[in-house]
Amino acid sequence: GQNIDQPTEMTATEGAIVQINCTYQTSGFNGLFWYQQHAGEAPTFLSYNVLDGLEEKGRFSSFLSRSKGYSYLLLKELQMKDSASYLCAVYNYGQNFVFGPGTRLSVLP
Amino acid sequence: DSGVTQTPKHLITATGQRVTLRCSPRSGDLSVYWYQQSLDQGLQFLIQYYNGEERAKGNILERFSAQQFPDLHSELNLSSLELGDSALYFCASSPTGGASGYNEQFFGPGTRLTVL
Repeated sequence: GQNIDQPTEMTATEGAIVQINCTYQTSGFNGLFWYQQHAGEAPTFLSYNVLDGLEEKGRFSSFLSRSKGYSYLLLKELQMKDSASYLCAVYNYGQNFVFGPGTRLSVLP
Repeated sequence: DSGVTQTPKHLITATGQRVTLRCSPRSGDLSVYWYQQSLDQGLQFLIQYYNGEERAKGNILERFSAQQFPDLHSELNLSSLELGDSALYFCASSPTGGASGYNEQFFGPGTRLTVL
């Protein structure tokens, strides 16, 4: 089966660092993606991990541990515009994309 | 702007009716994906087409069908509509079919379907 878990909601303060976790159990694995989605808008790509370790991209970093079925997205120097939902998605060439429920992040001044 | 276009932006219809949603992928992208996003279910993968052929199928109902045309645009047909079909329908495109693993998808702005 396919199962992806993320916390439903998180709150953080402007300028702070926040870590959004994602755990997954899927029948196959060809990569893990993180997307950002503002309310009522389309998801936009943030990061991609296929090997274990940390990928850094500006204020955003993503980590993957395939043996633990675990990933996290790290957002640094939070800005108000980072208030959005963050979607973890596992890609499996056979079953395609399976998205997690998303984590709604609120950044407070 | 991702380069993926979807029409119409909004659609209001009645139960039992049939609608067609249209998607034009980014220039050069061969794969098109359809997703349904409702408030209580998150983003659900429906179906993927690659260069005109069906590549992968997700949680797509039998009342729904899709196709990709020679010019690579795609249409999602929803028939015998029910209240529960009200959702945001996204189309996404990617350059390849995903066999290489890395398969970043570019999402269109979505079509909001309301079934009354």
